[in-house]
Amino acid sequence: ETGVTQSPTHLIKTRGQQVTLRCSSQSGHNTVSWYQQALGQGPQFIFQYYREEENGRGNFPPRFSGLQFPNYSSELNVNALELDDSALYLCASSPPWSTGKEYFGPGTRLTVT
Amino acid sequence: GIQVEQSPPDLILQEGANSTLRCNFSDSVNNLQWFHQNPWGQLINLFYIPSGTKQNGRLSATTVATERYSLLYISSSQTTDSGVYFCAVFIQGAQKLVFGQGTRLTINP
Repeated sequence: ETGVTQSPTHLIKTRGQQVTLRCSSQSGHNTVSWYQQALGQGPQFIFQYYREEENGRGNFPPRFSGLQFPNYSSELNVNALELDDSALYLCASSPPWSTGKEYFGPGTRLTVT
Repeated sequence: GIQVEQSPPDLILQEGANSTLRCNFSDSVNNLQWFHQNPWGQLINLFYIPSGTKQNGRLSATTVATERYSLLYISSSQTTDSGVYFCAVFIQGAQKLVFGQGTRLTINP
């Protein structure tokens, strides 16, 4: 059974650019959530996707957007990057009827210069 | 919104010692998870424990939902136990996990 995978592992972007991060959910999981973890902090919820639609959103501006595909994989897009967007971005998937039991991928470390 | 507080923020122990990490939460929750974040950033599931007690080897966890706290016990600590431990509570309506700030555990040989 393959776990949650994310790509790329590391990424360096310049302020103002756009970035796309990718996540493949664990086999059998149909829900994907994204989290941002700043250095020294706990992860913060960005949004969740279920059946290809946004199913919940945290306190992040609209320049953070996402997609979920029919195979349950997902993308996180961030436009107009700011220095404060530098963080570890974590993707988590959960199985049907899980009541929030989430399994995390290894993360993508984004640096904005 | 719900607040999740972990204590202590940092804990330094010698190999072989026992430790107790605490997680307090400010409101009723649907479930609670404990994670270990390894040095590369991956969150490893330790326990899914909305209530009661569970054990897995040297680790055990207890959640008392009515009193809004959970405890993670690590016995006979090993250097590989080092890292940051997070508790997270799931908010059903918002479909999200809310994390505490973590406890950084350092086990010295």
